[in-house]
Amino acid sequence: EVQLVESGGGLVQPGGSLRLSCAASGFSFGTYWMTWVRQAPGKGLEWVASIKQDGSEKHYADSVKGRFTISRENAKNSLYLQMNSLRAEDTAVYYCATSPGEKWLVYFDYWGQGTLVTVSS
Amino acid sequence: DIVMTQSPDSLAVSLGERATVNCKSSQSVLYSSNNKNYLAWYQQRPGQPPKLLIYWASTRESGVPDRFIGSGSGTDFTLTISSLQAEDVAVYYCQQYYGSPYTFGQGTKLEIK
Repeated sequence: EVQLVESGGGLVQPGGSLRLSCAASGFSFGTYWMTWVRQAPGKGLEWVASIKQDGSEKHYADSVKGRFTISRENAKNSLYLQMNSLRAEDTAVYYCATSPGEKWLVYFDYWGQGTLVTVSS
Repeated sequence: DIVMTQSPDSLAVSLGERATVNCKSSQSVLYSSNNKNYLAWYQQRPGQPPKLLIYWASTRESGVPDRFIGSGSGTDFTLTISSLQAEDVAVYYCQQYYGSPYTFGQGTKLEIK
C-alpha cells in the first residue's frame, strides 16, 4: 500500500524558515517524480514544486521560486521542502504527491494527509 | 499559465440524481501527437487530501465507482456523477498537466439537496 506521511509543519514568524519532510513507503520511491501541492485555509489547490527521480530536474511555481527548495533522498525514501523567507500567504496545508510513470507533466495518483504551515507573528 | 475555470462554484443535488461539474481551460490541453487530453479530476472530502478520480479526461482511476464519468476534449470538460450518493459530498477539482505550471480549477462544492 502506498503511504506518504508529511511532517515538519508548524507556526513560524514571517521571514522565518521551515523544512518539511515526506516519508514514502509501499512503492519504488526512486522511480517516480515527486511533488508538493499546497492548500491555503478554505481555498483551492496550488502546485508548489516537483522533482525528478534522480533530483537532476526541479520545477517551481513562480510564487515560491528563489525561496523554496525541493530535494529528495532516495536511499531514505524521503522528499523535502526547505522553505525560507516565509510570508503570511505561504500559510497552507502542504501535501506531497506522486505521479505515475517516469515523465514530467503527469497527474498525481497518491497524496499524503498533509502538514499545516502557519506563518504569523 | 493555463487558467482552469470550473462551473458552478457550488451545486446541490438530490440523492440518486445526476450531478454535473464543468471545467474550461484557457487553451487546449489536447496533445495532437498522442490525441490525449491532459486533464484530471480530483475529489476532496471534508478534512481529507485530494483523491484522483479521472485522468486523461475520461479514464477512471482503479477503484473509482463507475458512476463517475469524465468527458470532453480540447478546452471543455465535464465530470458527471450519474447517481449521487451521500459519500459523494465533496469539493471537486479539475487540473491540467499539459504545461507548466500545473494548474487547478477553483473547485466545485457538491452538496445534497
